[in-house]
Amino acid sequence: DTAVSQTPKYLVTQMGNDKSIKCEQNLGHDTMYWYKQDSKKFLKIMFSYNNKELIINETVPNRFSPKSPDKAHLNLHINSLELGDSAVYFCASSSTGAGANVLTFGAGSRLTVL
Amino acid sequence: GQQLNQSPQSMFIQEGEDVSMNCTSSSIFNTWLWYKQDPGEGPVLLIALYKAGELTSNGRLTAQFGITRKDSFLNISASIPSDVGIYFCAGQTSDSWGKLQFGAGTQVVVTP
Repeated sequence: DTAVSQTPKYLVTQMGNDKSIKCEQNLGHDTMYWYKQDSKKFLKIMFSYNNKELIINETVPNRFSPKSPDKAHLNLHINSLELGDSAVYFCASSSTGAGANVLTFGAGSRLTVL
Repeated sequence: GQQLNQSPQSMFIQEGEDVSMNCTSSSIFNTWLWYKQDPGEGPVLLIALYKAGELTSNGRLTAQFGITRKDSFLNISASIPSDVGIYFCAGQTSDSWGKLQFGAGTQVVVTP
């Protein structure tokens, strides 16, 4: 019944590895996002997709590649992981209808790079 | 870039006390949102504000969209232990659809 679900919740890996985080929403929303929360709890947008089309791409290293196979799914693949990639990554979704700015967040995926 | 200043950074209060926090922006916003984040969870929406001057309540929570459209506050009345968490303001300008900016958060600790 979870509205926005992301997996895995925890991910511990070595520098240089490639990893993916998956996200799915069952709210019928047409826009999905990835946010990064650093150790100081600051939330910053990374990417946004609307109906599978990339609409927001903030200044993120190209090692990060989002992919939206359909409007209910948005995955994040990270190549050549670095220590600074350690953070909590949140998936979120919203609708372009009424209340378009209101994001519903997943529970987060904590990535630790050793 | 645009800046959202949220204060205070943290608050240590006793159960039953009222809590007040606010956010200011360097830009005019058309939306202000307040979220709460519990440990190990994602932010959860508390209140959404869409019009300047709008005052909205959600139980013991009250938030207002400032008249200048550059600020918002959140009040929590009669705090209880489960109010512990990080409270975030978030806002959006009219020319940045979908790009919510978040404040740095206010950590609230409630002691019995």
